[in-house]
Amino acid sequence: GAVVSQHPSWVICKSGTSVKIECRSLDFQATTMFWYRQFPKQSLMLMATSNEGSKATYEQGVEKDKFLINHASLTLSTLTVTSAHPEDSSFYICSAPRGVGTDTQYFGPGTRLTVL
Amino acid sequence: AQSVTQLGSHVSVSEGALVLLRCNYSSSVPPYLFWYVQYPNQGLQLLLKYTSAATLVKGINGFEAEFKKSETSFHLTKPSAHMSDAAEYFCAVGFGNEKLTFGTGTRLTIIP
Repeated sequence: GAVVSQHPSWVICKSGTSVKIECRSLDFQATTMFWYRQFPKQSLMLMATSNEGSKATYEQGVEKDKFLINHASLTLSTLTVTSAHPEDSSFYICSAPRGVGTDTQYFGPGTRLTVL
Repeated sequence: AQSVTQLGSHVSVSEGALVLLRCNYSSSVPPYLFWYVQYPNQGLQLLLKYTSAATLVKGINGFEAEFKKSETSFHLTKPSAHMSDAAEYFCAVGFGNEKLTFGTGTRLTIIP
């Protein structure tokens, strides 16, 4: 089946540093990927839609200059949290639909970010 | 706009008992509906999906859900709970390769 991976699975960083999270589709190409954020014991909230070869589309209230998204290839999207602060600590999950017109998204295992 | 409401943030059932997790949706057009399961510190795994075909949908691990348009519901059921079913369950609405809108989740606890 379709597999989406994320790296790293968890990361701890100091306040003010930047952290890059990778999302890869392992056995299919994804022109679109989605980045979600999940706070403890809460639901997933869409942050942005990553589009291969074009700018990402951010949801209302998400700072595009803070959460940089690059969809450099058909199998890789990266989310960079710039100048991270403790309030950015969260579980970040990406997903990718497999194929045009598909009805299903496949989710990565998530990345736990802790900012000290 | 689409939305999903999951009734009951926590549900506890005894092992072997019926599991019923409730989901109601709101959508101006016929929706696609999904149930995902999340184990601690992991991503989401698709349990089942409704995409305008059969209204009774069977998924993995013995789960099934019935789409009821008149009730705008898509409740998840399993006849007999197993300890391994303990997890967080999310109902979601969306259209395939578009963004999904998730419910707030239901934590299922299985009592031995």
